[in-house]
Amino acid sequence: GQNIDQPTEMTATEGAIVQINCTYQTSGFNGLFWYQQHAGEAPTFLSYNVLDGLEEKGRFSSFLSRSKGYSYLLLKELQMKDSASYLCAGGDSNYQLIWGAGTKLIIKP
Amino acid sequence: ETGVTQTPRHLVMGMTNKKSLKCEQHLGHNAMYWYKQSAKKPLELMFVYNFKEQTENNSVPSRFSPECPNSSHLFLHLHTLQPEDSALYLCASSQDWGTGNEKLFFGSGTQLSVL
Repeated sequence: GQNIDQPTEMTATEGAIVQINCTYQTSGFNGLFWYQQHAGEAPTFLSYNVLDGLEEKGRFSSFLSRSKGYSYLLLKELQMKDSASYLCAGGDSNYQLIWGAGTKLIIKP
Repeated sequence: ETGVTQTPRHLVMGMTNKKSLKCEQHLGHNAMYWYKQSAKKPLELMFVYNFKEQTENNSVPSRFSPECPNSSHLFLHLHTLQPEDSALYLCASSQDWGTGNEKLFFGSGTQLSVL
């Protein structure tokens, strides 16, 4: 079956670095997305990886290894406003998005 | 104006009520989606419309009835819902559908409680 796994909750300290992992099993592969969702708000697009490697966008970076079915989102210089849920989603061969349940990130001062 | 607007933000309804959720996108996109988001569960795709035509219906019960009068507006009509239908209902849009790498733009959702 198709499945996306990510940790339910993580805690980190303001100013630190945190890595949120995502493993996926999809029939075929058509890219991997990360979205951020603050409580009570709309999910917003963070990144899309289809090739192996690391893509950096300011404080946020996303990594993909297709051979391992693995991705991570790296957040640097954490700020309180980074407290949110981070959703991982993989595209399968039928162009469907398979979603993870999300990782709730709690930032402490 | 925000890209995707949903109303109402909150809705409480009884199991015998009929209500509708509304979504409007101001991005000129061709595809619109309804998702259900329950606590600690993955997003569940309910319906997809591409150029006003329904392209996906993921085995959604008939008590949920979508309507897409044009590419900018999407409705979800609700009737005789069950308490387990209580969830956050998210609308989204994308430029296109069917390429597998669509970037989704979401609305803030309607938090639905069925009593």
